[in-house]
Amino acid sequence: SQQGEEDPQALSIQEGENATMNCSYKTSINNLQWYRQNSGRGLVHLILIRSNEREKHSGRLRVTLDTSKKSSSLLITASRAADTASYFCATHRYSGAGSYQLTFGKGTKLSVIP
Amino acid sequence: NAGVTQTPKFQVLKTGQSMTLQCAQDMNHEYMSWYRQDPGMGLRLIHYSVGAGITDQGEVPNGYNVSRSTTEDFPLRLLSAAPSQTSVYFCASSKGPSAYEQYFGPGTRLTVT
Repeated sequence: SQQGEEDPQALSIQEGENATMNCSYKTSINNLQWYRQNSGRGLVHLILIRSNEREKHSGRLRVTLDTSKKSSSLLITASRAADTASYFCATHRYSGAGSYQLTFGKGTKLSVIP
Repeated sequence: NAGVTQTPKFQVLKTGQSMTLQCAQDMNHEYMSWYRQDPGMGLRLIHYSVGAGITDQGEVPNGYNVSRSTTEDFPLRLLSAAPSQTSVYFCASSKGPSAYEQYFGPGTRLTVT
């Protein structure tokens, strides 16, 4: 079953604009991670935010986490053509029987037009 | 460091054939995992390992076997390929359990006819 769901499914913006992607999830989590995937490549980790954190920054990336609403957002400021990729959120949670799992959403496809 | 490597990059199988997808990492990571990525489905966990000799099932384990005899290698075996196993397969590793950031390989694109 899908734990994280990104919104929107696709986003097209002009270079220089900001891009915001959202992720909603269903059950409590330990942390939430954002990944980027360029076409035909593997995923690359962008940022990890723990359940007791509300906001985190890394360069042009800003991630927020609202555990009361079970949602997170990824903001990319001053976008560049090179930011064109799919972005995935992944939730780390207890999955039962002493196990933890990282569950990925379906992704947001971002296109940045030069 | 090469990071996480996967071979082959592409593979075409006939229904019923078996094969092994190779995955290796040189970062001395304890945790390794296999995912499959299908259009519109995101990534789904197949199997994972928390260390040499220890493996466990993920969300979609049927039709796949794994073993972990060394820290570096985590091969994925398809026992009897089916068209439903057509997908892109990614191997990932991390220094600890899945709470840590995952390092992904470049993927293997598998087609089963």
